[in-house]
Amino acid sequence: DGGITQSPKYLFRKEGQNVTLSCEQNLNHDAMYWYRQDPGQGLRLIYYSQIVNDFQKGDIAEGYSVSREKKESFPLTVTSAQKNPTAFYLCASTSGEGGEAFFGQGTRLTVV
Amino acid sequence: DAKTTQPNSMESNEEEPVHLPCNHSTISGTDYIHWYRQLPSQGPEYVIHGLTSNVNNRMASLAIAEDRKSSTLILHRATLRDAAVYYCIQFNAGGTSYGKLTFGQGTILTVHP
Repeated sequence: DGGITQSPKYLFRKEGQNVTLSCEQNLNHDAMYWYRQDPGQGLRLIYYSQIVNDFQKGDIAEGYSVSREKKESFPLTVTSAQKNPTAFYLCASTSGEGGEAFFGQGTRLTVV
Repeated sequence: DAKTTQPNSMESNEEEPVHLPCNHSTISGTDYIHWYRQLPSQGPEYVIHGLTSNVNNRMASLAIAEDRKSSTLILHRATLRDAAVYYCIQFNAGGTSYGKLTFGQGTILTVHP
């Protein structure tokens, strides 16, 4: 079945460590997105990518980095520079041209 | 940036229609209007989207104002499973923010039995 997969579902890290969240899609979608969601809040856009080897900052990119070396994969690194990294992270993809977005089930990151 | 405005919360009774409003006064001619819904601790689920004309699918209907500055998501018969946070989004399909998909705070829909 086609879909978008985020792993792991839960992730714990010590403060000061970088951590990379995985996002893979087999929908042949060109565009991919990373969002952060805090309790009781909406989704905030971190980074997005329309094509391989290209990506743009969203509204809250500071403290995060991404890469897009393959069409299927868009990993997000939460760096030690991110002041409040504990959150629910969601990855999405679209085919472009304004079409439907598909979301992963999210990764809940806890930094202690 | 593409911003939408929605009521914070709405309530409905089961089996009654629900009309969820959204204002998108800054919408441009190439922006699509998307609706998603989200249950706690899950990723958002696509509901419906449109550009200019009203749209229907098995989940809902989308009514778009003639000037496109507002839209309404219509759930024809609410069920308890429709209780969720509903997000209305402008999907930038042109310009410098091409492909940017920005969420607002959404509307919390409560459905009473």
